[in-house]
Amino acid sequence: AQSVTQLDSQVPVFEEAPVELRCNYSSSVSVYLFWYVQYPNQGLQLLLKYLSGSTLVESINGFEAEFNKSQTSFHLRKPSVHISDTAEYFCAVSDVWAGGTSYGKLTFGQGTILTVHP
Amino acid sequence: DTGVSQDPRHKITKRGQNVTFRCDPISEHNRLYWYRQTLGQGPEFLTYFQNEAQLEKSRLLSDRFSAERPKGSFSTLEIQRTEQGDSAMYLCASSLRLAGVTGELFFGEGSRLTVL
Repeated sequence: AQSVTQLDSQVPVFEEAPVELRCNYSSSVSVYLFWYVQYPNQGLQLLLKYLSGSTLVESINGFEAEFNKSQTSFHLRKPSVHISDTAEYFCAVSDVWAGGTSYGKLTFGQGTILTVHP
Repeated sequence: DTGVSQDPRHKITKRGQNVTFRCDPISEHNRLYWYRQTLGQGPEFLTYFQNEAQLEKSRLLSDRFSAERPKGSFSTLEIQRTEQGDSAMYLCASSLRLAGVTGELFFGEGSRLTVL
């Protein structure tokens, strides 16, 4: 069985400050890792993903996350946040089976509400 | 708009009534997923389809819940004899599975159910 823990339910920061949203997971098999963002009154959108290869993955809007297998973590970071980054962020995992097969079924964390203040 | 669409967006019903939600996935996607999200929690998996076949159901999906995808395109999620604990956002997602690889899940905006 998988589980995902997002250690902070709310993170308030000031604009242009750095931010880190923490995510830890547990699984008995290899995993694919994802961060989704949900803006108010909108659906979940994929922010970035780790499938294989480089453990540092980046999004087009300046976020990055690093897969740390030994610590079973996939923390999300941004060096300088904007007001428009205010949203709820969800970390999610998907089991990986033989040959890299994934059923696509995701287990989500509880979410972290990022609030960027001017 | 060619994304995942869900209908209705909001539904308020009285306890004991039946409700049905519809999801129209991205047209070329063969996988369709239903999730439930309660306040303050992340989405929880309910069930998924590969084309018209329902391949997995979560233990969360009690016998009052039924999901169908009769022609491998749109899907419906019906809740019978609703209870206040069914109040939640019901999310639909779709993806394309090809050659054993499941692509990114695209989510709809959800259907919010309030049971009075």
